[in-house]
This record gives sequence, structure tokens and C-alpha cells, in this order.
Amino acid sequence: RKEVEQDPGPFNVPEGATVAFNCTYSNSASQSFFWYRQDCRKEPKLLMSVYSSGNEDGRFTAQLNRASQYISLLIRDSKLSDSATYLCVVNIGYGGSQGNLIFGKGTKLSVKP
Amino acid sequence: DADVTQTPRNRITKTGKRIMLECSQTKGHDRMYWYRQDPGLGLRLIYYSFDVKDINKGEISDGYSVSRQAQAKFSLSLESAIPNQTALYFCATSDPGTGEQETQYFGPGTRLLVL
Repeated sequence: RKEVEQDPGPFNVPEGATVAFNCTYSNSASQSFFWYRQDCRKEPKLLMSVYSSGNEDGRFTAQLNRASQYISLLIRDSKLSDSATYLCVVNIGYGGSQGNLIFGKGTKLSVKP
Repeated sequence: DADVTQTPRNRITKTGKRIMLECSQTKGHDRMYWYRQDPGLGLRLIYYSFDVKDINKGEISDGYSVSRQAQAKFSLSLESAIPNQTALYFCATSDPGTGEQETQYFGPGTRLLVL
């Protein structure tokens, strides 16, 4: 089983739509969780951390379910500028061959006019 | 000015050539990383360094070497480049002092083509 799994998409949605991405992780000892955003041919950038109680940043809401080892990202009122690939990232808290952060392969979102 | 810089941004080289990709950071972070990204494969860790005297192999270190010249500098070398090393290479940094919220900050990437 892969460490961090995401639906690769693409998700094609109209402007104004609400879209949700899901992610599962395999290491139950994972300590912290993030969503990154990556625009085409650009570097990944931190979008938001994911806290156990759930958290919101404007149109973006992140949820964590430790029992199910599941993370989600909800984007409301999608904008054209939200088009990007969204990476689910898990901090496993120690080194090893994958370092301390494990990246999912990403879910591609395309918001259409 | 960018906090994490990479040079060169684009490079075309031939099979068998030795090349070096450089990364510098002004964030004052102890930890630095080199990743490659290929379509459909996501980010894969090549090497990482948790401080100046620490070097660790990542998931795909074969064919690569690194040097941590200073806290701010971490370079990646391809001793004898081969075509399947054609990829987008990212350097990243992180600060362990942030504890559980430790996350990584990426440079703009180096696009490498090996002919």
C-alpha cells in the first residue's frame, strides 16, 4: 500500500462549484498533515496545515480523521485561479529513505469559465 | 528576493557529462532536501541533510551525490548523466524548530534535459 494516496483526477469543474479532494495515509504514527498547491511547472507551495479539529482558511476547509487515516480538502466557490495540482502531505516524524515528509502524487483541478 | 534559489533554472546536457545543480537558502533552516519530479510519479526524495555534517540517502539516490557546503548551500551532482535523469529537480528546506508543524519550502526548480 502506498504511503499517501490521492485520486489523480483531473477534476474539471465550473467556476463557483464546490469541489472536494480526499487523501488516505498508511502510517498510523503520522504526526502532522498539510495540503500543498502546485501550479504547472512551478514549485509546490504550502496551502494550509490540517488540524485534528478541522480548519478553514477563506474558501478552503481541511478535515482530518485519524481513526480512518483520511484527510480532505474542500474548496468552495471555485475560481479560475484555483486550477492547479493539490498535494496531500504527511509528516511521519522521522527520517529514513523518504525523509520526514511524504508527498502524495497530487490531484489535478481544472476550473472552467 | 526568493528565500530558496536554484541554479541553473534550465540545463541541457549530454549523456556521460558531469553536472552540478546548486541550491541556496536565506531562511536559516538547518534541513535541506533534493527531490526530482517526473510526470505521474510525484515528488521523489534523492538526498537530504539535517545539518551541515549530516547527509542521508533518499528513495532514489543511485546516480546522484550531494555536498552540503554550508548551512545555506546544498548541491546535487550527477557524476555521469543519463537520459532517464531528465526531470524537474527541486531543492527544499525546513526548520525542525517548528515541531509537528515542520513543513518544507521549495525552490523554483531546475529543469534538466539529458540527451
